[in-house]
Amino acid sequence: DVKVTQSSRYLVKRTGEKVFLECVQDMDHENMFWYRQDPGLGLRLIYFSYDVKMKEKGDIPEGYSVSREKKERFSLILESASTNQTSMYLCASSLSVANYGYTFGSGTRLTVV
Amino acid sequence: QKEVEQDPGPLSVPEGAIVSLNCTYSNSAFQYFMWYRQYSRKGPELLMYTYSSGNKEDGRFTAQVDKSSKYISLFIRDSQPSDSATYLCAMSDGSNYQLIWGAGTKLIIKP
Repeated sequence: DVKVTQSSRYLVKRTGEKVFLECVQDMDHENMFWYRQDPGLGLRLIYFSYDVKMKEKGDIPEGYSVSREKKERFSLILESASTNQTSMYLCASSLSVANYGYTFGSGTRLTVV
Repeated sequence: QKEVEQDPGPLSVPEGAIVSLNCTYSNSAFQYFMWYRQYSRKGPELLMYTYSSGNKEDGRFTAQVDKSSKYISLFIRDSQPSDSATYLCAMSDGSNYQLIWGAGTKLIIKP
């Protein structure tokens, strides 16, 4: 069965810390995405990658960076965590461009204190 | 105004009822339409995927697209408590990698 695995379900970090969220997919998918999900705001795209070492900004990239050194792994980095980055973070992958059947991970609930 | 509007609910109905979930959108170029289901503390999972207008049926679920009204619907027949979840609509014009998401409707099926 197709899988997207996020390394942590829950994280608590302090303001100013550098935070790494890891995502691994085992489906040989080309595209990978990082979203954050907040009540009433739905899913907002932070960054996506359509190939190894390629990345594109989404709607809300400020305060975040990403890394995709291998096809199966896509990392989200919070350079200096702030309280307004407390959120649910969801990683997703899809087979190819214009294939919108995304497979999501279970999410990481990040709290910044 | 958001590109995709979706009533957040919650929508509470008795078991066995027919459920209608809806999204409206403003971009007439959208042609790919999806419904995702999200259980509590889980990521969304793809439920239905339609292209352009018309209906698509899968078991108890029917997705309907009305491009002239910029309106999509998801119908759930014989609703079950296990259908209790948040349902998100998503759509794209096909020109890039991105989906535009509704905020989700929380559905509660009462036994």
